[in-house]
Amino acid sequence: GESVGLHLPTLSVQEGDNSIINCAYSNSASDYFIWYKQESGKGPQFIIDIRSNMDKRQGQRVTVLLNKTVKHLSLQIAATQPGDSAVYFCAENRWTSYGKLTFGQGTILTVHP
Amino acid sequence: EAGVVQSPRYKIIEKKQPVAFWCNPISGHNTLYWYRQNLGQGPELLIRYENEEAVDDSQLPKDRFSAERLKGVDSTLKIQPAELGDSAVYLCASSLGDRGKNEQFFGPGTRLTVL
Repeated sequence: GESVGLHLPTLSVQEGDNSIINCAYSNSASDYFIWYKQESGKGPQFIIDIRSNMDKRQGQRVTVLLNKTVKHLSLQIAATQPGDSAVYFCAENRWTSYGKLTFGQGTILTVHP
Repeated sequence: EAGVVQSPRYKIIEKKQPVAFWCNPISGHNTLYWYRQNLGQGPELLIRYENEEAVDDSQLPKDRFSAERLKGVDSTLKIQPAELGDSAVYLCASSLGDRGKNEQFFGPGTRLTVL
């Protein structure tokens, strides 16, 4: 079936290191891929998105890479900070179902000071 | 600017009882979403409103769940009767609704526990 999933459920890094969170998807019809961050007790917060015809997009301290050949998405966080500790979800969106985000399972990122 | 407001934040009820959740979206956001998030999982869409019209309710269990957004602003989600499997966090989100916009603004959610 169609799904968006994550390789690793947990990731621990030291403050200042770079973090890489991975996501595999199965639906080639996805038009957008999106990353959300969810802190404990809060709703998900949008980080960055990438259109399916792009390979890379950069934001503030974050970079999303899309490899359509192997259906893989990654979120790179530079100089990870304790405030980056959260659960990170990848999600996909399609023009035909605009607004219906399909979320993956999530990766727990823990940043140690 | 105020974010998406939800109430209550927590609710504990016994099975077969009714429960209702309330959401006030960000001012000006015409699109409103209700999601359910089970522990350790990503949110799953229940229903999406464009103004007061429910444009996607395919994932809403209509035998026990209902929702409304009468004036195109606030919304309520109701469960009657609640079942043990309904225990989850119910998230409300809103967006400007522009096609291609993937940025939805989520509220803090209502954590429902059904005993």
